[in-house]
Amino acid sequence: KAGVTQTPRYLIKTRGQQVTLSCSPISGHRSVSWYQQTPGQGLQFLFEYFSETQRNKGNFPGRFSGRQFSNSRSEMNVSTLELGDSALYLCATSLQGINEAFFGQGTRLTVV
Amino acid sequence: TQLLEQSPQFLSIQEGENLTVYCNSSSVFSSLQWYRQEPGEGPVLLVTVVTGGEVKKLKRLTFQFGDARKDSSLHITAAQPGDTGLYLCAGANSGGYQKVTFGTGTKLQVIP
Repeated sequence: KAGVTQTPRYLIKTRGQQVTLSCSPISGHRSVSWYQQTPGQGLQFLFEYFSETQRNKGNFPGRFSGRQFSNSRSEMNVSTLELGDSALYLCATSLQGINEAFFGQGTRLTVV
Repeated sequence: TQLLEQSPQFLSIQEGENLTVYCNSSSVFSSLQWYRQEPGEGPVLLVTVVTGGEVKKLKRLTFQFGDARKDSSLHITAAQPGDTGLYLCAGANSGGYQKVTFGTGTKLQVIP
């Protein structure tokens, strides 16, 4: 059974640019959550999608957005990148009603 | 806002020593998970505990869920260098849908 796949693994972007990250869940998993992880702030929740609908949202500015497709794949977008957006972005997927989350390897975003 | 505080924040021990990591909250959770994360990778699920007072063992790792389901502990016996990593606890609540709160993390280094 394939795990959670995140692409790309590494990204370097310039301030002001925008970026799109992708997450393919484990087959059958319909819930996809996104997290930002930094050394100073730890793991912070961005948003969760289920059946193409955003069910829950963390305290991040509107520059951070996401969507989920009918095949449960999800993308997150960050516009007008800032230096402080440099982080490891993780997605975690789970079955409906099952709270165990399985994480991808993450996308390391560096903003210069 | 639910918070999960982990202690200690950092731990550096010699191979063969025992250690305990704590995860505490003022909130009640329906279940709690423990994850281990290695640098540059996503967290890997170790265990889920759902019943107050529950104890689960995974080889040299022992997990306990508090009677009131507000806290948990992870005990490692005879630590090995392969145990090195960031340990995260995560609490989940059933409220229409699962909502997960991650702990602040404990960074463990086991020195050979």
